[in-house]
Amino acid sequence: KNQVEQSPQSLIILEGKNCTLQCNYTVSPFSNLRWYKQDTGRGPVSLTIMTFSENTKSNGRYTATLDADTKQSSLHITASQLSDSASYICVVTPYGNNRLAFGKGNQVVVIP
Amino acid sequence: DTGVSQDPRHKITKRGQNVTFRCDPISEHNRLYWYRQTLGQGPEFLTYFQNEAQLEKSRLLSDRFSAERPKGSFSTLEIQRTEQGDSAMYLCASSLSHNTDTQYFGPGTRLTVL
Repeated sequence: KNQVEQSPQSLIILEGKNCTLQCNYTVSPFSNLRWYKQDTGRGPVSLTIMTFSENTKSNGRYTATLDADTKQSSLHITASQLSDSASYICVVTPYGNNRLAFGKGNQVVVIP
Repeated sequence: DTGVSQDPRHKITKRGQNVTFRCDPISEHNRLYWYRQTLGQGPEFLTYFQNEAQLEKSRLLSDRFSAERPKGSFSTLEIQRTEQGDSAMYLCASSLSHNTDTQYFGPGTRLTVL
């Protein structure tokens, strides 16, 4: 079973609308949780990073939250733009090693 | 450009041929990682180096795969006797060995085995 599960697998949203992506993980203990954005045919780019003691982190229109008790994280995209169309990957770093645990990604398509 | 670079960006080869990919990490980064990513999946860890030492290899890295980082700078990933199942995006990432250890990814090499 994958240690990082993301939902929804894909979604389509209208330009200007908000959306929230979910990440549930079982990695424990962990050092940090990241959200990456991956455009089609490109490598992932880091959006946010949170340690186990942080609850929220923002990067422009992207806001990530973390609940270490329930092992859940979310990524909220505000006022979506066409350029937000991408896969958003939740990545957890286990404590004590750097073997990252990747989710399969949330595929977001923003339409005008 | 001071990011991670990979070459080539695309490679099409026939089954049974050997291929080699190159990764140039961010210059001050001492860790370098190789991943494989298939459509609709997250990256899967293959191997990583700290400086020139290959410290860990995934069971995904069969004996047809070999990676090197001879001078602790650029790295190569070679696949011998390619199979159709090797078709994937091969991603390289680099990082500094500190607590947050954010990995910066290259653009990837898209391999298609016919």
